[in-house]
Amino acid sequence: DQQVKQNSPSLSVQEGRISILNCDYTNSMFDYFLWYKKYPAEGPTFLISISSIKDKNEDGRFTVFLNKSAKHLSLHIVPSQPGDSAVYFCAAKRADTGTASKLTFGTGTRLQVTL
Amino acid sequence: DVKVTQSSRYLVKRTGEKVFLECVQDMDHENMFWYRQDPGLGLRLIYFSYDVKMKEKGDIPEGYSVSREKKERFSLILESASTNQTSMYLCASSPVAGKRTNEKLFFGSGTQLSVL
Repeated sequence: DQQVKQNSPSLSVQEGRISILNCDYTNSMFDYFLWYKKYPAEGPTFLISISSIKDKNEDGRFTVFLNKSAKHLSLHIVPSQPGDSAVYFCAAKRADTGTASKLTFGTGTRLQVTL
Repeated sequence: DVKVTQSSRYLVKRTGEKVFLECVQDMDHENMFWYRQDPGLGLRLIYFSYDVKMKEKGDIPEGYSVSREKKERFSLILESASTNQTSMYLCASSPVAGKRTNEKLFFGSGTQLSVL
């Protein structure tokens, strides 16, 4: 049962354009959402997060939007750069997970930014 | 910078062998996690630990066990390796809930395990 879904396994975007990565979730107990970026041969690194009490969070070129009623979030990268080429994972945390930050991850979207 | 170190980058083992994957973090984090990453399945939680000698099962614990004798070290054990345990294994750590970065996991570089 995939509670966090990234329906696009891959995305190709031209340099300078906007990249939009999507994520859907099914569990209404999720209260915190994160995006991680993963390069080959490296572990995932934290990119940006959003609490369920907000609908938008921005950090430089990266913006995450949350639509709670639709159980949907998206990551916008503007402008896209070749160094953004990586696999992006959406992750979610349940409100009742206690002291450990137990995250549920999506399947990932491979972003390729072309010149 | 937080450093999470996994002892091996690549590992090849035979079916039935007992396999130990080691992970060490240097930031005094209370929580440590083991995930596996498989194509089309994303990252799935195997086990996590929120304190020394404490452990809890994740979503896919079958065929695995863990050990946390010291705060900085978290070991994943495959009691009898099988081919379906061929995967990328990722260790992560995080501070305890209540601190500002409590939701953020810090990952190691991963161990690619092949079971033949």
